[in-house]
Amino acid sequence: GENVEQHPSTLSVQEGDSAVIKCTYSDSASNYFPWYKQELGKRPQLIIDIRSNVGEKKDQRIAVTLNKTAKHFSLHITETQPEDSAVYFCAASRLNRDDKIIFGKGTRLHILP
Amino acid sequence: NAGVTQTPKFQVLKTGQSMTLQCAQDMNHEYMSWYRQDPGMGLRLIHYSVGAGITDQGEVPNGYNVSRSTTEDFPLRLLSAAPSQTSVYFCASSYSGVSSSGANVLTFGAGSRLTVL
Repeated sequence: GENVEQHPSTLSVQEGDSAVIKCTYSDSASNYFPWYKQELGKRPQLIIDIRSNVGEKKDQRIAVTLNKTAKHFSLHITETQPEDSAVYFCAASRLNRDDKIIFGKGTRLHILP
Repeated sequence: NAGVTQTPKFQVLKTGQSMTLQCAQDMNHEYMSWYRQDPGMGLRLIHYSVGAGITDQGEVPNGYNVSRSTTEDFPLRLLSAAPSQTSVYFCASSYSGVSSSGANVLTFGAGSRLTVL
């Protein structure tokens, strides 16, 4: 089955700097890669996703890149702000097959003042 | 439109007891799933369902049963609780199988914190 590895497990960056979180997946049939943000005590919520027919997607300060050949994808957050402090999860899924979504173990992002 | 509703929010069980975590959604989502969240382990998929009458195992199914008799409900049953099942459980649902914006975006419930003594 699918296995998603996520690094680093913890990341601290100065406010205003950029943060990068990296994930790899094992199943070459996976074609959908979402990223979820979980604030302390809250439920996870989608922040951005990418499908395998594109290599990059941006939404304001957040971008995701996908390298299908290497089976890895990354989340980039620019101009980080205090409200970016949270746990971020990457995930992979095979759409239109079983649709199950497998998550990585998460990255705790700390934004330092 | 309540989204995904989980009950109970908190539960304490003794080893060997059984219980059911309830999950209901009012968005007519085909896909429903259960995850458990443990420190440092991320969100691990327990069971999932792509429609009424269809269920399948996820990454960590042992000790749990599910059924999907209606589109709206997807209960998770612990048959004989063990301390290793102490965790926060999340139910999540989505549209599925459609390659359009919004499909496959999981809506999570608020979570159920279970402690097994």
